[in-house]
Amino acid sequence: GAGVSQSPSNKVTEKGKDVELRCDPISGHTALYWYRQSLGQGLEFLIYFQGNSAPDKSGLPSDRFSAERTGGSVSTLTIQRTQQEDSAVYLCASSFSGGQSYEQYFGPGTRLTVT
Amino acid sequence: GENVEQHPSTLSVQEGDSAVIKCTYSDSASNYFPWYKQELGKGPQLIIDIRSNVGEKKDQRIAVTLNKTAKHFSLHITETQPEDSAVYFCAATPGGYQKVTFGIGTKLQVIP
Repeated sequence: GAGVSQSPSNKVTEKGKDVELRCDPISGHTALYWYRQSLGQGLEFLIYFQGNSAPDKSGLPSDRFSAERTGGSVSTLTIQRTQQEDSAVYLCASSFSGGQSYEQYFGPGTRLTVT
Repeated sequence: GENVEQHPSTLSVQEGDSAVIKCTYSDSASNYFPWYKQELGKGPQLIIDIRSNVGEKKDQRIAVTLNKTAKHFSLHITETQPEDSAVYFCAATPGGYQKVTFGIGTKLQVIP
């Protein structure tokens, strides 16, 4: 079946502009996670959703970052007034909340470059 | 909050040799420890996981060990092959749908 998809795959934007990154989770997965991966770094947790609500937003770096999820499916991560330090790969993952497995299924990521 | 440390950051082995990656965690509430493999240009993919009620788990050439008392867990890859070359991440979480904390990653290179 279809995996997690993310769009766009690459985004180049000028400093100060707003960007929206989209994540389509696997159908039926109620949990959705956003991570940031900077060059040579690990996976930095940003936020996770259970259904449409976000129990843990602790990883969002600043108030320029926000995320929403509608219909328990698609999620968008918005970065306002982008800065060069926002350049990174943004990864989305989803998981199924009905069983014993906590496996997260990752999308291919969106590479964001702020010039 | 949870803190996961992983080492080494890079590892080169000859094809056929074994590779070992080690992680430590800080939160005694963590009870689920997955390992992910990330190939170039792709998202991470789960390769094996272990829960706190188990000390060791094996899947073909891959094994993971967990020492809850010492708060450390390790990934062992035997008979390494060139296709094992990738970045490997360990992680820890209290389970359920809570925050998963990842280590910084280990870049494994298997030399043919």
